[in-house]
Amino acid sequence: DTAVSQTPKYLVTQMGNDKSIKCEQNLGHDTMYWYKQDSKKFLKIMFSYNNKELIINETVPNRFSPKSPDKAHLNLHINSLELGDSAVYFCASSYEQPNTEAFFGQGTRLTVV
Amino acid sequence: AQSVTQPDIHITVSEGASLELRCNYSYGATPYLFWYVQSPGQGLQLLLKYFSGDTLVQGIKGFEAEFKRSQSSFNLRKPSVHWSDAAEYFCAVSPSSGSARQLTFGSGTQLTVLP
Repeated sequence: DTAVSQTPKYLVTQMGNDKSIKCEQNLGHDTMYWYKQDSKKFLKIMFSYNNKELIINETVPNRFSPKSPDKAHLNLHINSLELGDSAVYFCASSYEQPNTEAFFGQGTRLTVV
Repeated sequence: AQSVTQPDIHITVSEGASLELRCNYSYGATPYLFWYVQSPGQGLQLLLKYFSGDTLVQGIKGFEAEFKRSQSSFNLRKPSVHWSDAAEYFCAVSPSSGSARQLTFGSGTQLTVLP
């Protein structure tokens, strides 16, 4: 009964490939996020999404795109993978209102070779 | 814009010793404050949060944190550290008028626990 679950946990792929990471939450939250954690452990938000709007961090390359089939899922698609995309990607969710915290998934370690 | 500073990149303590991890924030008003822990190979788990009220908040696993407005700080403490506390700790802030979508993290403090 994991609250926020991501798959896969590990992903190794070659440069130039296209890959997806899936995320599902069973908390009934209306907002979901993707974060990138770099090699220095720094966490940076990439996207936040609810049924009203998608907010994109302007530093995220357009090779990255979130896809939400429904309120409980937010998948991350990455095209033309580059070596610099290697990182840990975290999915998270919360309610879209103040006084709430974000719940995080286990992370997906992406390695581009 | 809000920002979070965790001055200590790495802290080492002996098991059973007390612990304090520092967190300073920069924000125009009182923000919402959080501490998350990331155990090796694991996701981020919320330890505790401050929204308003009592400035000393209790969290899970025996952790507590104190909000000090005058010092713009939200330091995390534990009276007696266990070996299982070895992990990366992140302080985070969001605007009190906003939601979790405006969460900003510090750079983290890695805690090593010696036997």
